[in-house]
Amino acid sequence: GQQVMQIPQYQHVQEGEDFTTYCNSSTTLSNIQWYKQRPGGHPVFLIQLVKSGEVKKQKRLTFQFGEAKKNSSLHITATQTTDVGTYFCAAPTAGRELTFGTGTRLQVTL
Amino acid sequence: DSGVTQTPKHLITATGQRVTLRCSPRSGDLSVYWYQQSLDQGLQFLIQYYNGEERAKGNILERFSAQQFPDLHSELNLSSLELGDSALYFCASSPGTGEVDGYTFGSGTRLTVV
Repeated sequence: GQQVMQIPQYQHVQEGEDFTTYCNSSTTLSNIQWYKQRPGGHPVFLIQLVKSGEVKKQKRLTFQFGEAKKNSSLHITATQTTDVGTYFCAAPTAGRELTFGTGTRLQVTL
Repeated sequence: DSGVTQTPKHLITATGQRVTLRCSPRSGDLSVYWYQQSLDQGLQFLIQYYNGEERAKGNILERFSAQQFPDLHSELNLSSLELGDSALYFCASSPGTGEVDGYTFGSGTRLTVV
């Protein structure tokens, strides 16, 4: 079935540093979604990207969808301790249900 | 509060037993999805219902079954439980009417099989 890989699996940064997670698929995606899961919490929908080359921003978060619609990235500028959590990308299969990426766990220290 | 309600929050049971997890979707959402999240794994899709009908099936074990009722709440039944079934089980809902909608997740049920 469809697989969506994310790198890195884990990243530890100092507060104020930037962070990027990458999502890659071997197949063309109709769209891609991003979710954040805080420790002990549930995944929370952040954004959906649909168009080739699309870039969307939410405050310090920048989301990109690749031109070939096979990859995506989430970049956080000047991380804060509130950014701690696991970030998942997710893409729909033929049946519309989402396949989630492997996730990137972000740890931020002061 | 996300609007998706899952009960119970925690469940501890013995191997071989059967449990039922319950989910009430966000008001107005017709689609319900069940996901399993184990410690070393991501979110594994189990099954989807749309307006009472099964829409898609993932890697759901034969020991597991689910249904969605006329009031749109859903139940996930896990039987002949094994130690390896210990995990977080999430329910998510979406309107289900668009091309693809963002999911709203419940807070999950943590199942521990001893």
